[in-house]
Amino acid sequence: NAGVMQNPRHLVRRRGQEARLRCSPMKGHSHVYWYRQLPEEGLKFMVYLQKENIIDESGMPKERFSAEFPKEGPSILRIQQVVRGDSAAYFCASSPPGARNEQYFGPGTRLTVT
Amino acid sequence: AQTVTQSQPEMSVQEAETVTLSCTYDTSESDYYLFWYKQPPSRQMILVIRQEAYKQQNATENRFSVNFQKAAKSFSLKISDSQLGDAAMYFCAYSAPGGGADGLTFGKGTHLIIQP
Repeated sequence: NAGVMQNPRHLVRRRGQEARLRCSPMKGHSHVYWYRQLPEEGLKFMVYLQKENIIDESGMPKERFSAEFPKEGPSILRIQQVVRGDSAAYFCASSPPGARNEQYFGPGTRLTVT
Repeated sequence: AQTVTQSQPEMSVQEAETVTLSCTYDTSESDYYLFWYKQPPSRQMILVIRQEAYKQQNATENRFSVNFQKAAKSFSLKISDSQLGDAAMYFCAYSAPGGGADGLTFGKGTHLIIQP
């Protein structure tokens, strides 16, 4: 059973460009969480999604950031018009139905904005 | 809002010795989950151990064990017989019942150094 997949592992964008980060949950998992890790910090919750639904986006910045988890395909975290402060590691986690406390993390995407 | 505090930015231990990492948290809930995650240089987040608050018995996973003090809201991690591969950042995390709508709340981490 493959683990949580994230791609790309490293992404470099110039200021003003768009960044798209992808996450494929573990097989059978229906819950996806996105977290951001700034340098020297712990992970901070951004958004929680189920298929075709955003359940909680209380940790998402109000502008430029959006997330989706379509019926088919991976979950996408989209950052429009990136700024240097968006440089961070972005982690996705998934959990099975009925066991939201069992979160399994992907390897993360390291976004660098130049 | 829940908070998780790790007061030791860095800890160092000799190989084969025992080390304890501290974690305290704040919550008004009576039922919740606590976790320790390991993040090696590869940056992959690896679940080390999990504790359910309603269980009084401390969780144990091989060389890793916790000291869960619910009244004191303390959740320390003990690593016995430290190995070089244990070197990593260790994060304490909290989750409200049912996973919580806001995911896991993490501390800032403790950098564990293993001296050969």
